[in-house]
Order: sequence, then C-alpha cells, then structure tokens
Amino acid sequence: GAVVSQHPSWVICKSGTSVKIECRSLDFQATTMFWYRQFPKQSLMLMATSNEGSKATYEQGVEKDKFLINHASLTLSTLTVTSAHPEDSSFYICSAIGVAGGHQPQHFGDGTRLSIL
Amino acid sequence: GQQLNQSPQSMFIQEGEDVSMNCTSSSIFNTWLWYKQDPGEGPVLLIALYKAGELTSNGRLTAQFGITRKDSFLNISASIPSDVGIYFCAGQLAGGDMRFGAGTRLTVKP
Repeated sequence: GAVVSQHPSWVICKSGTSVKIECRSLDFQATTMFWYRQFPKQSLMLMATSNEGSKATYEQGVEKDKFLINHASLTLSTLTVTSAHPEDSSFYICSAIGVAGGHQPQHFGDGTRLSIL
Repeated sequence: GQQLNQSPQSMFIQEGEDVSMNCTSSSIFNTWLWYKQDPGEGPVLLIALYKAGELTSNGRLTAQFGITRKDSFLNISASIPSDVGIYFCAGQLAGGDMRFGAGTRLTVKP
C-alpha cells in the first residue's frame, strides 16, 4: 500500500519551456502532498506543501510564480516549472500523506529528473 | 529552524559487517523516520518510530526513537551488497512536515 506515482521520470527541454510534473497517490487519498528538490549528493529540500483544495504553502526563497502547484483532487498534485532555465535543472520529488493526517509517514514518488538545455 | 545532524556522512564497509548511523537535533519531533534512497529514485520508507524510547526492527534493520525525542539511530546487521545507497533520517512534526538529515552514503564491498 501507500504507492505514490510521479510522472514523467525524466524530462529534457529547452530553456524557456514550461514543464508540468504530476504526483499521484495510487491506493490512498492524500490531503497533503509535498514537493522537494534535490541537488546531486545533497539532501531533500522542501519547496512547498500542497493541501487539496487550497493554495500551496511555499518555503522561504521558493518563487511561487516560478513553481506553480495545483492540488485539485485527493489523488493528484501537479508542479509546473514555468519558463524553465538551466539553473532549474534538478531532481524533483513529491510525497504524500493520507487523509488521517500528520502522524503518518510521507510516502515518496520516484522523482523527476529535469534537465534544461 | 529544526536542523538534523546525521552522521556519519559516508561509510565504506565489508559485506557481513554491521552498520550504525544516527541523527540528533536540538528540536523535539513527534515521529522519527528512516528512508533509503537509491540513485535516481525517490526515498523508500524503512522504519517509522512514533514513541520516545521505541525500538523497532524491520528484518536486519533496527531503529530507536531516543528518549528525549531529539535523536534516533539506525542499525543494519550483516550488511549485503544491496544495502548500498543513501540513508536519510527524518523528523516529522505534528502537521506532517518533515526535516531531513544530510544522509549517510553506504558502500558495501563484496
């Protein structure tokens, strides 16, 4: 149980393109999803917390107009990197918590490797 | 903010040896978790700890939630080559937010 699917797993695109990443909870309903960014050989850095039906909460230093998050249903959250540039190249990972809330562990997707040329 | 100090940063061991890694924090967490991440993949939950003092095993893995709620350790017994990867500790707050350690990179030599 507690499977989180992330798509696509790998994206290569030109500078200036907008890229959408999907995060789905396959076998449970997720009221809260999280988006992380991970640079090589570093830990996960929380970008934003996404609650179903409400606006995402962004961590300090993360541009909300650059990284658009939509959590329209209990099983899907999307992250759109708008007008992506080479410095946005990174490994993006989502996670989800089920409807029972905070005491449950986060379950992670397999990540999306984004490469901007 | 709530910072986690994870050590060691990396370990190089021989197959069959036991491994120990730990995390400490100046803050109290409600839940401690240990994840393993393989290259190019997302972290996979190994063990979740919910009570201070709790000692939990998952196969060859054993983890404990420190009595002060500010630390946790993970032990791996009789390591095998597939144990290779990066191990992250994470402290979880009441609202579900997590803070991660910097990771321990484990290399197991056959």
